[in-house]
Amino acid sequence: GESVGLHLPTLSVQEGDNSIINCAYSNSASDYFIWYKQESGKGPQFIIDIRSNMDKRQGQRVTVLLNKTVKHLSLQIAATQPGDSAVYFCAEMKEYGNKLVFGAGTILRVKS
Amino acid sequence: EAGVTQFPSHSVIEKGQTVTLRCDPISGHDNLYWYRRVMGKEIKFLLHFVKESKQDESGMPNNRFLAERTGGTYSTLKVQPAELEDSGVYFCASSQTGGYSGNTIYFGEGSWLTVV
Repeated sequence: GESVGLHLPTLSVQEGDNSIINCAYSNSASDYFIWYKQESGKGPQFIIDIRSNMDKRQGQRVTVLLNKTVKHLSLQIAATQPGDSAVYFCAEMKEYGNKLVFGAGTILRVKS
Repeated sequence: EAGVTQFPSHSVIEKGQTVTLRCDPISGHDNLYWYRRVMGKEIKFLLHFVKESKQDESGMPNNRFLAERTGGTYSTLKVQPAELEDSGVYFCASSQTGGYSGNTIYFGEGSWLTVV
């Protein structure tokens, strides 16, 4: 079946350092990818998205990279802050679809 | 503007009982989705409404789950009878348009269900 990043690693970074969170996806038919942040007790919050016709997209302090050749997605957070501590999920969607397929998530811990 | 709201935020019920979760989408959003995350698993799609119609219910686990969206506004998800493996967090989300064309799907804070 479809799968997106089933591993749940934990990434610990020092405040001010850059963070890189990785995600592997298996469905080559997916056309749209999203990164979500989930803080404790809250729902997933949209961070940034990217379509399959792009390989990089930048937001405020965040960059998403897409490598379709190896089916890999990454989220880079610049100057990581304590408020960035959360679980980060990648998700994918097929063209004209409406169903998000989520990965298991990565825990980001920021040390002050 | 209010976001997606869900009620109750937490619920503890006994196995065999019934629970009804409610979701109020963002005003004007025709698309409403239910997802859930059970223990140790990733967030999984349950179903998708467009207004009052079920567009895709391929993720509904079994017939103990019933989702409705009468009038195309708020939605309810009923679990009857609840089983231990239903414990987890149920997320509702909404979007103005379907698909991904510049669309953003907004999630609620979830309804945390514990079946004992």
